[in-house]
Amino acid sequence: AQRVTQPEKLLSVFKGAPVELKCNYSYSGSPELFWYVQYSRQRLQLLLRHISRESIKGFTADLNKGETSFHLKKPFAQEEDSAMYYCALSGADMRFGAGTRLTVKP
Amino acid sequence: DAGVTQSPTHLIKTRGQQVTLRCSPKSGHDTVSWYQQALGQGPQFIFQYYEEEERQRGNFPDRFSGHQFPNYSSELNVNALLLGDSALYLCASSPPDSLPLSPEAFFGQGTRLTVV
Repeated sequence: AQRVTQPEKLLSVFKGAPVELKCNYSYSGSPELFWYVQYSRQRLQLLLRHISRESIKGFTADLNKGETSFHLKKPFAQEEDSAMYYCALSGADMRFGAGTRLTVKP
Repeated sequence: DAGVTQSPTHLIKTRGQQVTLRCSPKSGHDTVSWYQQALGQGPQFIFQYYEEEERQRGNFPDRFSGHQFPNYSSELNVNALLLGDSALYLCASSPPDSLPLSPEAFFGQGTRLTVV
């Protein structure tokens, strides 16, 4: 079965604190994983993908095949990071998690 | 480039009716995917169109059908609407495949469908 789980619906941190948004997946093949972000009143957009191994807006995510995880991390959260974050898996089709709403407090 | 545009933005339909939603892809994109996003949930993949044919399909009943036109624009049709079809319907377009990477999907703002 192809599934993406984001265990936290809501996550709140203070500005400057580290943040980690969790994502676990199940897929029998070689998955391609993504993080999408939706800022207030904006459309869903790609933040990063595991295959490119790049850091976007200070965020990184490492694919851990042993733990079947693809957690999104940032060492110092900023207020402008407040948004809805979705983890997604491209396998047989594109599967999204339920999302985590991140709030960064001043 | 206006990006991915969807119409209408909002729609109210009665149970049992049929609805058509429209999507114009971003310039240069040839693939269109449709998603249903219920309140508090992530987008759920409905199907993907490429070269005017359905290339992939998610776990949705046959009441959900689509079409892609030669100019790559697309329609999503839903027949015999149910109350549970109320959701935000998202369209995403992507450029030609650039293996080994999956092409980036660009999303529209969505159509909010309410079935009463």
